[in-house]
Parts: sequence; C-alpha cells; structure tokens
Amino acid sequence: DGGITQSPKYLFRKEGQNVTLSCEQNLNHDAMYWYRQDPGQGLRLIYYSQIVNDFQKGDIAEGYSVSREKKESFPLTVTSAQKNPTAFYLCASKARQGVVNEKLFFGSGTQLSVL
Amino acid sequence: AQTVTQSQPEMSVQEAETVTLSCTYDTSESDYYLFWYKQPPSRQMILVIRQEAYKQQNATENRFSVNFQKAAKSFSLKISDSQLGDAAMYFCAYGWDYGGATNKLIFGTGTLLAVQP
Repeated sequence: DGGITQSPKYLFRKEGQNVTLSCEQNLNHDAMYWYRQDPGQGLRLIYYSQIVNDFQKGDIAEGYSVSREKKESFPLTVTSAQKNPTAFYLCASKARQGVVNEKLFFGSGTQLSVL
Repeated sequence: AQTVTQSQPEMSVQEAETVTLSCTYDTSESDYYLFWYKQPPSRQMILVIRQEAYKQQNATENRFSVNFQKAAKSFSLKISDSQLGDAAMYFCAYGWDYGGATNKLIFGTGTLLAVQP
C-alpha cells in the first residue's frame, strides 16, 4: 500500500544534540512538508519542498534543517539551535505543490522529547 | 494575515446524534479553499472534507457536511449519525495560493470530539 512512513515513532534528544527525523513516501508525490504540532495549537509549517534539491522555509524554520536528495525522502534535522524542540512532528505530501485544494497525505508522526 | 479560529476546544455527542463543529477564518482573499482534517488517537491526520470558496453549494461526504457562509467567514462541520469511530481531534484549515506555484495551509487549534455510547 502507498503511504508515508515516519520513523522513529518516539525520539529523545539530549542537550546540544542534533537529531534527524525520517520521512519516506512511496506515493510518487512531488511536494513534501514538515509540520510541528504542540498541545493546544494547530499545525505549524516548518519546511516544504516542491521538487528534488529544492526546499523552502515555512513559518517556524529556525533551528531546523532539511534536505531533499531523493523524491521519496524528506528528512528533518532538529538542531541544537532549536531551544524548545519537544513536540509532535508530522510529515505530509501531496501530488502537486501548485494545486491548493489537493489532498494532503500525512504520516503517523514522531514524538520528540528532550531528556 | 490569514487566521483560523476554532472556538470549541472540546465537544461531546451521543452515538447516533448530530454534532456541529465551528470554524471561522479571516482573509482578504476572494479565492481560497477550506478543509476539515481529522486526527484520531493514532495521530495520523486524515482529510474529511474540503470546500472551494467559489462554490456556493456546501460540500458533503457521506455523514459529513459543511455549512459554508462566505460573507460571515464561517465554515462549520456537521457530523450526522455520530459513530464511536468519529471520536478524534478535528482541525479546520484554510488554504490559498499566494503566488506562482506556492500555496500554504493555515490550521486552527482543533476541537476534540468525544462520542458517548
């Protein structure tokens, strides 16, 4: 079955450590996204990518970095510069970035906590 | 700036009854899209229904329908014949194309729906 796979499901970060969240899709989608979800808040966009080797900052990109070397993969690195990284992280994709009403497909998320 | 407001943090409904979740938004755009996403306990977001602003007819998907009031900037979700599996967090979202091939979604803070047997 096609879908989005996020790993790990739970991740713990130590002070000063960079951690990388994995996102893989086999839907052949062009566009991929990373959202952050905090309790009592809606989803906020961190980064998005419309095509391989291209990505754009979202609303809360500080302290995060991404890469898009393959169409299927869009890993998110939470750097030590992100002072409040504890949150639930959702990866999403859709077939074409340029179509607003196209359905977003989501992964099952990664819960990141600070030790 | 575009904003999405869900004023009901929690709602409860009896099984088989009908419930309406509220959503209001603020925008100066005339062409945009509205969505309701469901996040069950598994935490994977699922699209429930979507509405194009240029369409006057309210969208319907089986037991889910919307009441879209463009002038009032209101986009409520009605769930009929509620089932236990409808228990979830529901997010309202607004999307628009702000230039070229770029578009974004703005999400509300969510409404947690409990379904009582």
